[in-house]
Amino acid sequence: NAGVTQTPKFQVLKTGQSMTLQCAQDMNHEYMSWYRQDPGMGLRLIHYSVGAGITDQGEVPNGYNVSRSTTEDFPLRLLSAAPSQTSVYFCASSNRAAAFFGQGTRLTVV
Amino acid sequence: GESVGLHLPTLSVQEGDNSIINCAYSNSASDYFIWYKQESGKGPQFIIDIRSNMDKRQGQRVTVLLNKTVKHLSLQIAATQPGDSAVYFCAETTHGSSNTGKLIFGQGTTLQVKP
Repeated sequence: NAGVTQTPKFQVLKTGQSMTLQCAQDMNHEYMSWYRQDPGMGLRLIHYSVGAGITDQGEVPNGYNVSRSTTEDFPLRLLSAAPSQTSVYFCASSNRAAAFFGQGTRLTVV
Repeated sequence: GESVGLHLPTLSVQEGDNSIINCAYSNSASDYFIWYKQESGKGPQFIIDIRSNMDKRQGQRVTVLLNKTVKHLSLQIAATQPGDSAVYFCAETTHGSSNTGKLIFGQGTTLQVKP
């Protein structure tokens, strides 16, 4: 049972480049979400989804897009990367209970 | 806005002692609280949760206490081991019909276990 799988684990982007962070879960969870974690800080919610076809903004959505075409997948897109988006990104899924997290994607924007 | 905060950024304990990590929350509408453990380079790992209709819940070597009157949450770890060294986060959410899976995290407490 893989749980929540994120790819890639590490990524370096140049300012202005775009990319997609992948997230997949195999637990048939309704809820999926993306968080970012900056040094010395807790996790902040970027976007979340309560089911396929439904997404909404979290606390820090600017610069990111999401879609939820299937229950399993919840990709996060950076449209035009900025140095301020250098962070560790975590995807999580839950089913009306505690969320389970992936191992994270460490993104550096230069 | 709502926030969940921790009282101490770093807690250092001797191996074998009990650890108590504290958390204060401000959203009185939150009805579900979770403690996560995060080891270096890894994602947060679920430890234990508690609903607002309870004031105490026990797991294996861990106990969570909830005081809704003062909006305080604590995590107690019995007989702390070196493997318990990590950053601990409390998180709050609304678990009822309005549940969206959104979590509000505190800043985290680093637990250091001295051998």
